[in-house]
Amino acid sequence: GQNIDQPTEMTATEGAIVQINCTYQTSGFNGLFWYQQHAGEAPTFLSYNVLDGLEEKGRFSSFLSRSKGYSYLLLKELQMKDSASYLCAVREVDTGFQKLVFGTGTRLLVSP
Amino acid sequence: GAVVSQHPSRVICKSGTSVKIECRSLDFQATTMFWYRQFPKQSLMLMATSNEGSKATYEQGVEKDKFLINHASLTLSTLTVTSAHPEDSSFYICSARDPRWTEAFFGQGTRLTVV
Repeated sequence: GQNIDQPTEMTATEGAIVQINCTYQTSGFNGLFWYQQHAGEAPTFLSYNVLDGLEEKGRFSSFLSRSKGYSYLLLKELQMKDSASYLCAVREVDTGFQKLVFGTGTRLLVSP
Repeated sequence: GAVVSQHPSRVICKSGTSVKIECRSLDFQATTMFWYRQFPKQSLMLMATSNEGSKATYEQGVEKDKFLINHASLTLSTLTVTSAHPEDSSFYICSARDPRWTEAFFGQGTRLTVV
């Protein structure tokens, strides 16, 4: 089973840094993903962590601690276009099949 | 990245009718595809895992007779919402994993409105 939690909403100002947390309890952990989703559109891939530590990709970084069941997505130099929902997703291996299970999602609003 | 195409993007149907949504992997073969449902301002909820050549695996609480899934080829999975009711109105989205890439790729989604 799985239980993946994120804050529901966050607000930040343009140019700032924001950290979106994700906690999970799951069996068969096989990696954690962060996706960005604008309303009415498909999610787009941001980052992937399978080992502990920080992965940096331009303005976006993601951290994972498997022992704590915790990840965060860090967005730097925020831009207005970063206003979107950010989805944490855990890939699980269940009865031999892999599946991607999403967290509750965080709506981020970036203001001028 | 890989391309997953979903059709239609929007559909309006009458209560009691059935609606079929298609999900295609355009440049790779997908033995497994996934169907999600998303309500407004909520996250994606996994409905079922579609397996080519075998029965779909449904998540707990998802009615298999209501949401029929067929994965007849390595590039096509279909979701049929049978006897649709207004509460079935939602955003349905499919995804597939191309083994060449780490991440899953998503279709464009289908906005279903049942009137």
